[in-house]
Amino acid sequence: EAGVVQSPRYKIIEKKQPVAFWCNPISGHNTLYWYRQNLGQGPELLIRYENEEAVDDSQLPKDRFSAERLKGVDSTLKIQPAELGDSAVYLCASSLDADSFDTQYFGPGTRLTVL
Amino acid sequence: DAKTTQPPSMDCAEGRAANLPCNHSTISGNEYVYWYRQIHSQGPQYIIHGLKNNETNEMASLIITEDRKSSTLILPHATLRDTAVYYCIVRGLFGNEKLTFGTGTRLTIIP
Repeated sequence: EAGVVQSPRYKIIEKKQPVAFWCNPISGHNTLYWYRQNLGQGPELLIRYENEEAVDDSQLPKDRFSAERLKGVDSTLKIQPAELGDSAVYLCASSLDADSFDTQYFGPGTRLTVL
Repeated sequence: DAKTTQPPSMDCAEGRAANLPCNHSTISGNEYVYWYRQIHSQGPQYIIHGLKNNETNEMASLIITEDRKSSTLILPHATLRDTAVYYCIVRGLFGNEKLTFGTGTRLTIIP
């Protein structure tokens, strides 16, 4: 069974440029998560989707970040414009549902460097 | 707000049992203890979780003290591939509870 797929794995951009990350969750998983992980820190949740509905986006900086999951399957996270402080690893995870007993499966992440 | 306290780093000899402690003195009755690990350049990987009874699976054992204020993750025969950052996370029963990662313990397995 394929795991969570993310692309690209690495992205280098200049500040003020836009950037987008793509995630394909495990087949059949209704819940999708985007996390950001700064160097030396644990991942922090940005947004959680239940099917195509964003049910927790309280930590998403809405002035420059946006996300979508149009058909309830794959998802895109966008930053526009990027700032130096956005350099981090962006992780996508999925689970069957949001129940606490459901294991979250993580993708390998996209490492973003903003110059 | 961090609900857990872990040592920043530990070493363990290959083949020995690795015992990773976690303090969660403010845990409430409806919160579980979860463990994830993150190998370099990979996403976090689920290891095990428990409420109050000790748990064991193919990866590890989880020992939770009777007062539930601390726990220990045990990797019975550590290999070099177990080198990773290990996160202890307290999470509630309800579906909207998110995983809140701290800074974890960096475990290095020494050949």
